[in-house]
Formats: sequence, C-alpha cells, structure tokens
Amino acid sequence: GQQLNQSPQSMFIQEGEDVSMNCTSSSIFNTWLWYKQDPGEGPVLLIALYKAGELTSNGRLTAQFGITRKDSFLNISASIPSDVGIYFCAGPPANTDKLIFGTGTRLQVFP
Amino acid sequence: SQTIHQWPATLVQPVGSPLSLECTVEGTSNPNLYWYRQAAGRGLQLLFYSVGIGQISSEVPQNLSASRPQDRQFILSSKKLLLSDSGFYLCAWSFGGANQPQHFGDGTRLSIL
Repeated sequence: GQQLNQSPQSMFIQEGEDVSMNCTSSSIFNTWLWYKQDPGEGPVLLIALYKAGELTSNGRLTAQFGITRKDSFLNISASIPSDVGIYFCAGPPANTDKLIFGTGTRLQVFP
Repeated sequence: SQTIHQWPATLVQPVGSPLSLECTVEGTSNPNLYWYRQAAGRGLQLLFYSVGIGQISSEVPQNLSASRPQDRQFILSSKKLLLSDSGFYLCAWSFGGANQPQHFGDGTRLSIL
C-alpha cells in the first residue's frame, strides 16, 4: 500500500535555529497536510497544500507542495521551545475521504 | 466554528472487560468521522471511518467495533479488551468529500491491565 516516509525521524536543535523536514510518497498526492502533535494531545493542522509548487506560510512555518506531487517540505524558522513535538505529514490516497499519515519527525528544542 | 470532544481522557481497564469511547462533533452537519489508534511514539493507524449515520468502514481486522447512532456521534467499542488494545485513541472529523483536512480530538489514553 501507499506509504509516506518522513525524514529525519528526530531532530535535536538549539533555540533560534531553523528546521527543515520532508515527506515523500511512492505515488502522487493532490493534497498535502502538515500536523503537529504535542505530547498527550491530538494532532493539530498547521498547513494545507492543494496545488503542486504551492508555498504556504503560517507564522514561522512554511510548507511547500513538491512539483512532482510526490513530496512536501516543512520549514520552521527561528525555533522556540514550544515548537517541541511530533510533526506529521498526511495526504489522501487517490482522492478518497481517508488520510495516510507519515511516520513523523520528533523535534526537540534546547534553550 | 466546529469543535470535537472525546471522553474519557484516560481509562484503565482489565483484560476481558468491555469498552466504550465516545466522540461528538459540534458546529457542523453530516461530517465524516474517524477513529485512529496511535502506539507510543508511532504514527496514526486508521481503525474506522464513517461518512454518515449507520455507515461504518473498517480498515483493519481487530477486536474493536464502531457505531454512529447519531449524525455527530461516533462510538468505539469492544466486548472483551485484549492487552494489545492499549494505546492512544483519537477521533477526528472532516467535511465530506475528497482532499479534506481532518481535525482531531484530544484523545483517550487506554491502558489495559
């Protein structure tokens, strides 16, 4: 079945640094979603992308829908301690009502 | 605006006992509803989804069942819990149709003893 692979699996960075993570698929997606999950809580939608090449920002977060439609990238600028959590990419296979979630990138930020 | 509520937040149950987790959505009609399970430090596994009252699709064979008795109510159940049913259970909703983002509740932490 379809899979979404995220890299890196985990990141340990210092406060103020920029962060980049990506998500790749074995097949084409028409929508890419990025979520953040804090410990013990449900994932929260950060950014939704609907068009190949689209670049969308939400505060210090910027995400891009890859031209090939098989990948997406999330960047966080000037990280702060509250950026700590697990970041998931997700997308709907073959225009269905369901989502496939990536394996997640765990982010740790040290002061 | 739409809100989603899950309860209880945490639950400790003995092996072999029944289970009922409830999820309700407010502020929209005829949402798609989803149940996921998340093992510790892992990704989300879709268990069930529903596009309408009484319509349930099961994604993986398992010890659990789901029901949608009302438009905005989604229930996850089991008649006899197994140790392997432990995990973090998440309910989500979306607008109907393809390519819609899902919005999650705060989850239920289920521990089986």
